[in-house]
Amino acid sequence: DTEVTQTPKHLVMGMTNKKSLKCEQHMGHRAMYWYKQKAKKPPELMFVYSYEKLSINESVPSRFSPECPNSSLLNLHLHALQPEDSALYLCASSPGTGDVQPQHFGDGTRLSIL
Amino acid sequence: GQNIDQPTEMTATEGAIVQINCTYQTSGFNGLFWYQQHAGEAPTFLSYNVLDGLEEKGRFSSFLSRSKGYSYLLLKELQMKDSASYLCAVMDSNYQLIWGAGTKLIIKP
Repeated sequence: DTEVTQTPKHLVMGMTNKKSLKCEQHMGHRAMYWYKQKAKKPPELMFVYSYEKLSINESVPSRFSPECPNSSLLNLHLHALQPEDSALYLCASSPGTGDVQPQHFGDGTRLSIL
Repeated sequence: GQNIDQPTEMTATEGAIVQINCTYQTSGFNGLFWYQQHAGEAPTFLSYNVLDGLEEKGRFSSFLSRSKGYSYLLLKELQMKDSASYLCAVMDSNYQLIWGAGTKLIIKP
């Protein structure tokens, strides 16, 4: 069982919809990450939060908006997405951004844009 | 530039041993991580190396040579459930993971 929980597991939305992906961890980790993964490709880093503050934004389009309400929660707000945004969205956490420790992933949200 | 190379696909027999190699050239090095990913699922952490040498975790071992920019993941007593993709990732000087493209491992009975 994963210690990083993501909801929903699947999401289908139209290009004009607004939806949110949620991620929760209770391992006391202070770093949380959003990745996007297309089929047969490695994960692609989108955002990094460190101590609830956005520390890295990998030039992600503004139709993706992250939010970190507290140290255990991470959201990704979606608006006006494009078909090419269909992918597996992964949340991960680690003890800290300056630690050499593994990142632990949630099960992901499989997103399909119609 | 950043470059991580792993074989695209490997085939092995149930009960056997397989070694998956990873070579890297990155801007700085803080550690090398191995993940397993079954199709349609999230990556699962397997092992990591910070210093040169062998790390053993049950049926899985990982080896690192920093001077050669080289690592391998060794899987023993292969089981059908080991059929998956294996991802090598280097933590660079900014503590970010640089990912290889992954090696698809096919286990045959």
